[in-house]
Amino acid sequence: DVKVTQSSRYLVKRTGEKVFLECVQDMDHENMFWYRQDPGLGLRLIYFSYDVKMKEKGDIPEGYSVSREKKERFSLILESASTNQTSMYLCASRGQGAGEQYFGPGTRLTVT
Amino acid sequence: AQSVTQLDSQVPVFEEAPVELRCNYSSSVSVYLFWYVQYPNQGLQLLLKYLSGSTLVESINGFEAEFNKSQTSFHLRKPSVHISDTAEYFCAVRYSGAGSYQLTFGKGTKLSVIP
Repeated sequence: DVKVTQSSRYLVKRTGEKVFLECVQDMDHENMFWYRQDPGLGLRLIYFSYDVKMKEKGDIPEGYSVSREKKERFSLILESASTNQTSMYLCASRGQGAGEQYFGPGTRLTVT
Repeated sequence: AQSVTQLDSQVPVFEEAPVELRCNYSSSVSVYLFWYVQYPNQGLQLLLKYLSGSTLVESINGFEAEFNKSQTSFHLRKPSVHISDTAEYFCAVRYSGAGSYQLTFGKGTKLSVIP
């Protein structure tokens, strides 16, 4: 089975802190994605990566950056956390071709 | 850009009754279609997908969805729901052309099964 793991299930940070969210997949997938999920808004894509060191902005990249130094790992960085970044963050991966995305369990981030 | 509309944000239904969760997408170009389910405090799990071939696709737990190209719809149905089906359901679409990476999600439908 494909496994996508995220470094934390729950995280509480203070405004202005730098925050790292880590995601690891074990299926040698080329594509990885970061979403945030908010009630009533569904999932919105923040960034994605289709190869090591490659990244593309999604629909809501402002306030975020990403890093993909190794194929299996995709990190989401909040340079200076703000309260409006309190949300559920979901990581996903997908292989080449037509297949589905596989999701991690999510990180619920609270910024106070 | 693609958009996905899930027409109902909440659907209450009695146990053993049928249910339909509606999904429409914006474009008539060639697409891949997905339904995901999310149980409380968990990530999303794939329920079923349409990539090509038969327009009726089924999941292992009794759900089915039919791809209707002319109506750009991919509604999810189950003839008899169980309490354990209580969850949030997301419809998603991806353009099937080369270089397409992004999956566009609807805003979700919360299914509540009433005993």
